[in-house]
Amino acid sequence: EPEVTQTPSHQVTQMGQEVILRCVPISNHLYFYWYRQILGQKVEFLVSFYNNEISEKSEIFDDQFSVERPDGSNFTLKIRSTKLEDSAMYFCASSEEQGKYQPQHFGDGTRLSIL
Amino acid sequence: GEDVEQSLFLSVREGDSSVINCTYTDSSSTYLYWYKQEPGAGLQLLTYIFSNMDMKQDQRLTVLLNKKDKHLSLRIADTQTGDSAIYFCAESVLQAGTALIFGKGTTLSVSS
Repeated sequence: EPEVTQTPSHQVTQMGQEVILRCVPISNHLYFYWYRQILGQKVEFLVSFYNNEISEKSEIFDDQFSVERPDGSNFTLKIRSTKLEDSAMYFCASSEEQGKYQPQHFGDGTRLSIL
Repeated sequence: GEDVEQSLFLSVREGDSSVINCTYTDSSSTYLYWYKQEPGAGLQLLTYIFSNMDMKQDQRLTVLLNKKDKHLSLRIADTQTGDSAIYFCAESVLQAGTALIFGKGTTLSVSS
């Protein structure tokens, strides 16, 4: 069964550094998402992406964050000038059509640890 | 704003039925989802129900939706040790567009 893949599974970064989290969505999907889960807290929506542009973003997704689809398969989340509170599990998801009516399929996540 | 609440823990014996409950606040929810997360793994979509349905059954899984009380439940029949995981309830809300709003997750522990 097709799946969303994320790399790396665990990323350790010094505070203040930039980090790029990578995702390969399911190949025929058109909508892509990033969520994060701080330890012990809820899974929170960050951003959705369609047709090479951001379609929605949450209050969390400020100027520190950016997303990109650099080629036909990868979808990346860049976090600039990382802070301790950016430590979390980051999940990528994709859906076949408009997300309201199609389920989102998630990857296994990247655990980001900021030191 | 939108909120989804779940009880945090449920412990059952193998072979029993498990019922995981969820409440949500937004009456305009369109789809409600159940995701499963095993240790070290991602969020696996188990099932979903459209908000104009009352019930959906899929093998050992039964989803019940009470729109009046804004209450969603997931029943797992003949629970197995492999069902031990965290179960997340999530809703998609028209006003929120495509974002999923998640509960905090219910940890299901199945003992043999």
